[in-house]
Amino acid sequence: KAGVTQTPRYLIKTRGQQVTLSCSPISGHRSVSWYQQTPGQGLQFLFEYFSETQRNKGNFPGRFSGRQFSNSRSEMNVSTLELGDSALYLCASSPLAGGAGELFFGEGSRLTVL
Amino acid sequence: DQQVKQNSPSLSVQEGRISILNCDYTNSMFDYFLWYKKYPAEGPTFLISISSIKDKNEDGRFTVFLNKSAKHLSLHIVPSQPGDSAVYFCAASARGAGGTSYGKLTFGQGTILTVHP
Repeated sequence: KAGVTQTPRYLIKTRGQQVTLSCSPISGHRSVSWYQQTPGQGLQFLFEYFSETQRNKGNFPGRFSGRQFSNSRSEMNVSTLELGDSALYLCASSPLAGGAGELFFGEGSRLTVL
Repeated sequence: DQQVKQNSPSLSVQEGRISILNCDYTNSMFDYFLWYKKYPAEGPTFLISISSIKDKNEDGRFTVFLNKSAKHLSLHIVPSQPGDSAVYFCAASARGAGGTSYGKLTFGQGTILTVHP
């Protein structure tokens, strides 16, 4: 079974630009969550989507947005990039039912803002 | 406001001995706890979880203990192996009866475990 796939793996942007990151969950998983990992703040929850609806949202400014498609694939967008947005962005999927209730994480998209 | 805290940034253990990683939480709404392992340049990998209705869960070499009154949980790895060297994250969620917060985890800052041969 293929794992969670995130693209691109690495990208470099400049301040003021916008970026779109993509996530394909494990087949059959309908919940997708996004996290930001930085050295100073650790892993922080961005948002969660289920059946194309945002179910939970973390404490991030409106520049951070996301969406989920009918095939459960998800994208997140960051507009007007700031230096502090440099981070590893992790996507995780969950089947919700069964298992140990864990999230399965992708390898992440490393964003560098210059 | 750090709701999940791992107060030890690092831990060094000899191969074959026990590794004990600790985690404290402040939010009494948390009812599900998980441990993840992370290698550099990879996403976190799930290790073990525990519901607040239990005080212990075991899976092979990994055991998680939960002390609700102290709002404390710990991960025991016995015996420790060099391949266990990684960053370990404690995470918590408030799932409640409705189970609407599966995807929202609050993570600790992580503990770097080094197991020496």
